[in-house]
Amino acid sequence: AQSVSQHNHHVILSEAASLELGCNYSYGGTVNLFWYVQYPGQHLQLLLKYFSGDPLVKGIKGFEAEFIKSKFSFNLRKPSVQWSDTAEYFCAVNANTGTASKLTFGTGTRLQVTL
Amino acid sequence: EAQVTQNPRYLITVTGKKLTVTCSQNMNHEYMSWYRQDPGLGLRQIYYSMNVEVTDKGDVPEGYKVSRKEKRNFPLILESPSPNQTSLYFCASSYRGGAGNTIYFGEGSWLTVV
Repeated sequence: AQSVSQHNHHVILSEAASLELGCNYSYGGTVNLFWYVQYPGQHLQLLLKYFSGDPLVKGIKGFEAEFIKSKFSFNLRKPSVQWSDTAEYFCAVNANTGTASKLTFGTGTRLQVTL
Repeated sequence: EAQVTQNPRYLITVTGKKLTVTCSQNMNHEYMSWYRQDPGLGLRQIYYSMNVEVTDKGDVPEGYKVSRKEKRNFPLILESPSPNQTSLYFCASSYRGGAGNTIYFGEGSWLTVV
């Protein structure tokens, strides 16, 4: 069964600091990878996704993520965070099981950006 | 506008009183699913449906039922809610099942069972 680990549960950064949130997954087959963001009181929004091709994926709001197959990782990065990036971030994996489509989520990382 | 719509958004109910959370999507998606979100546990899948009249259990199906009589609707039924079902629930849909499909989420339903 697939699983996703997000090692940072709570991250506090000052504005303009660089961000990297770790995500590792366990699944031996083909996967699709996602990062979702949940702003306070809101629903999940897709930040970016990786299906195939260039392992460096650019998403909305200046976020990017790099898929490193050998490390089973899909870390999220942003060079300079803003106060408005305060949110919870979820990494998710959708394994190619051939039939079912099941997103397995990590437990989330709460990002707090201070002024 | 492409949407996944859930109702109610907020509900406080009592133990044992049956309730239904509706979910509707306007994108003609085949695949729909329900997740619950709990602190420290992330999102966990309750049930999913690959198409009309095709449903299956996710990771945490106990205490829940679903039905898929129409393509656009996928209601979540709590026959006899209990306090451990207090959670934030998300409905989701995608064009098809299988990897390679982006999943879209509704705005969430906050459910409190007292």
